[in-house]
Amino acid sequence: GAVVSQHPSRVICKSGTSVKIECRSLDFQATTMFWYRQFPKQSLMLMATSNEGSKATYEQGVEKDKFLINHASLTLSTLTVTSAHPEDSSFYICSAREVGNTGELFFGEGSRLTVL
Amino acid sequence: DAKTTQPPSMDCAEGRAANLPCNHSTISGNEYVYWYRQIHSQGPQYIIHGLKNNETNEMASLIITEDRKSSTLILPHATLRDTAVYYCIVRVAGGETSGSRLTFGEGTQLTVNP
Repeated sequence: GAVVSQHPSRVICKSGTSVKIECRSLDFQATTMFWYRQFPKQSLMLMATSNEGSKATYEQGVEKDKFLINHASLTLSTLTVTSAHPEDSSFYICSAREVGNTGELFFGEGSRLTVL
Repeated sequence: DAKTTQPPSMDCAEGRAANLPCNHSTISGNEYVYWYRQIHSQGPQYIIHGLKNNETNEMASLIITEDRKSSTLILPHATLRDTAVYYCIVRVAGGETSGSRLTFGEGTQLTVNP
């Protein structure tokens, strides 16, 4: 199956700093990527839909100024957690849909953010 | 997207078939049934999907009832590595970006025991 890679897989940062997480589709082009957040022992929660070349669409309750999403190319979307706080500590996961593919979405390995 | 209901947990003996049920009584005619699984601290992995016919691939089989209100994912010979949370999701496949969204429920924690 298609491969989606996230970087970094783990990151620890101090409170107040910003952290960028990258999501890359390695062997296909993705017009749409999705960002999820998962807290311990909970299910995945969709944060936003990232569309190449346009502004991301955020789910209700997700602050767009805090979670900056950029989808500048067909193979890369980035999520920047600005002014991170301990409550932002979570597992962030991206997924991507291949251009023209009407089937499954492919998920990255996830990025675990710990804010001290 | 239609809501799904799954048991919170199930156990299965290694080597036996694991049958994971899912209820989706409000499914629409153009919604597919998707199954994903998530092994601890990893991203979800696609397993299989179907519309109304039963489907089989190298990982699993998907049995959808005739009225499409429920389905069962079958892992024919469960191994310890199949221990994971299994998510049943219904959604419109492909098309517009909004139709590609996946909304995850709580899923079923499958534990395969030696």
